[in-house]
Amino acid sequence: QVQLVQSGAEVKKPGASVKVSCKASGYTFTDYYMHWVRQAPGQGLEWMGWINPNSDGTKYAQKFQGRVTMTRDTSISTAYMEVSRLTSDDTAVYYCVRGRSCTSTSCYGGFDNWGRGTLVTVSS
Amino acid sequence: DIVVTQSPDSLAVSLGERATINCKSSQSVLYTSNNKNYLAWYQQKPGQPPKLLIYWASTRESGVPDRFSGSGSGTDFTLTISSLQAEDVAVYYCQQYYSTSPITFGQGTRLEIK
Repeated sequence: QVQLVQSGAEVKKPGASVKVSCKASGYTFTDYYMHWVRQAPGQGLEWMGWINPNSDGTKYAQKFQGRVTMTRDTSISTAYMEVSRLTSDDTAVYYCVRGRSCTSTSCYGGFDNWGRGTLVTVSS
Repeated sequence: DIVVTQSPDSLAVSLGERATINCKSSQSVLYTSNNKNYLAWYQQKPGQPPKLLIYWASTRESGVPDRFSGSGSGTDFTLTISSLQAEDVAVYYCQQYYSTSPITFGQGTRLEIK
């Protein structure tokens, strides 16, 4: 079965960076896009961007441009998401999420498999 | 950005009764070339990640009980639970994937048992 296993919880100071990993199994890693979605405590869902593991292409939400980097290592079927210049507003659970293909403007279908989430806490 | 607005924010329904959640997008998410509505519904239970219920506005994801159904087109959509079960207590989100500038979710609707 499809599994997305994320790295453990992180505590970071303001101004620092955090890198979250997501190891995929149960399917061909390069056949699906990987999205990242975050959820602040008690709040709703916020899409951050996607990476195409096959081409290494990425698209980021404008809000996160310049501060987020999504990468992948196909040899170990793992996606990564790094956020720099953290502030307290970045305290959230970060999910990696499998999705079907996307163009530069839209995606094809919903997000069908979610990781369990990684809690990132930013505090001085 | 395409703004997605759900109503109501919270809802209490008796067991066995129908629950209806609405979702409105600020612009059409119907792609006329393929006649598909780029809208999905998710269920999130406490302490769990969201789960995909419906995509293309009305296609049920594999394994989702048939009491869940989606309808609507263009800018107005509905998620219906035909006969509420105790395990359906959750927060429900709609999402548009018509535009990735950015992909957006509704604010969520909390469903409880009356």
